[in-house]
Amino acid sequence: AQKITQTQPGMFVQEKEAVTLDCTYDTSDPSYGLFWYKQPSSGEMIFLIYQGSYDQQNATEGRYSLNFQKARKSANLVISASQLGDSAMYFCAMREEGAGGTSYGKLTFGQGTILTVHP
Amino acid sequence: SQTIHQWPATLVQPVGSPLSLECTVEGTSNPNLYWYRQAAGRGLQLLFYSVGIGQISSEVPQNLSASRPQDRQFILSSKKLLLSDSGFYLCAWSVPPTSYEQYFGPGTRLTVT
Repeated sequence: AQKITQTQPGMFVQEKEAVTLDCTYDTSDPSYGLFWYKQPSSGEMIFLIYQGSYDQQNATEGRYSLNFQKARKSANLVISASQLGDSAMYFCAMREEGAGGTSYGKLTFGQGTILTVHP
Repeated sequence: SQTIHQWPATLVQPVGSPLSLECTVEGTSNPNLYWYRQAAGRGLQLLFYSVGIGQISSEVPQNLSASRPQDRQFILSSKKLLLSDSGFYLCAWSVPPTSYEQYFGPGTRLTVT
């Protein structure tokens, strides 16, 4: 079974509007972390935001917020006030702690969502 | 500050030729190091990770191997490339146990012809 599912291959948004990118995950590990990365056409992976499984509050970083719904196993990324420079591929990823913290920080990625911001 | 370098940036190699991709990290000690591959339009797949010099773990069976001859150097190799080895290769590092973020290098785009 897929551990990280991003069901939206592509999304379009008008400049200055908000957009939500979906991510659901599957794990039986009680301790895990959820990440969002942005990959522009240049290929670099840019870290956007992190949410720990025990964090009570939803994570926020500037225009990015993570809508964490633990019971539904979803970790959607919300980008407010979209900018043309937000056009890129966006990846959701998960790090499971593993028994005795043996995951060694390994990340499992979803397939990504291509976001296009229209002027 | 920490930086991560990868080279070469792009590479075109014929089938059956050897491969060596290098990744080095500066400004940190004892990092965990990772090699990921990204097929065109797809997500990243973890290939190898290392928690110390000479310690390599493979995540998927494949035609590639990895080595860590120094604390901040990680090398991805192949003796004979296959067409299916084409892709975008990304090196990443993190510092356990306090750092939750993984920092990625600029990547190497490999085309096997």
